[in-house]
Amino acid sequence: KNEVEQSPQNLTAQEGEFITINCSYSVGISALHWLQQHPGGGIVSLFMLSSGKKKHGRLIATINIQEKHSSLHITASHPRDSAVYICAALGGGGGSNYKLTFGKGTLLTVNP
Amino acid sequence: DADVTQTPRNRITKTGKRIMLECSQTKGHDRMYWYRQDPGLGLRLIYYSFDVKDINKGEISDGYSVSRQAQAKFSLSLESAIPNQTALYFCATSEPSGGMYNEQFFGPGTRLTVL
Repeated sequence: KNEVEQSPQNLTAQEGEFITINCSYSVGISALHWLQQHPGGGIVSLFMLSSGKKKHGRLIATINIQEKHSSLHITASHPRDSAVYICAALGGGGGSNYKLTFGKGTLLTVNP
Repeated sequence: DADVTQTPRNRITKTGKRIMLECSQTKGHDRMYWYRQDPGLGLRLIYYSFDVKDINKGEISDGYSVSRQAQAKFSLSLESAIPNQTALYFCATSEPSGGMYNEQFFGPGTRLTVL
């Protein structure tokens, strides 16, 4: 059983819609990493956060450490947001603070 | 210029061949990683290196070996490729330990097909 679960696995939206992708984890972590993978395959780091909320342009990431849950929101979605979004939990300290445990990703398709 | 580069970007090879995938970085990071990505399985760690003299196995190291030639270079080798090593391979780098500074930065990936 993967220790990091994402939902939904697939998401289709119309341009302009508000998008939410959820990530739950069962391990103790020091931070959570949101990544974006475009159809060409490359992986880009979007956020790394250990508490509260971070915002970058139309992207917002939140995390609730007590509930072991994080969300990635996209406001005013656009077709160029179509990608796979991956959350990854960074190990909870000691010797494991390098280790990322990855979710399986959420495939987002935004139609014009 | 990209901070983390991988060569080749695509490779098709035959069962039993030796293959080397190379990763170079200009970020000045000490830590480097090799992952593979398979459909439906997500990313899995093959090997990681905290510095030139510190190399460690990840969760799926069987069938692979690595070499850290310099701080900036980390190579992954498949000594005798087999079809189930067909996958997308990523190199990544990060800063040394210390809370937020473990954000990892990924290369563009190498698509490897073993026939």
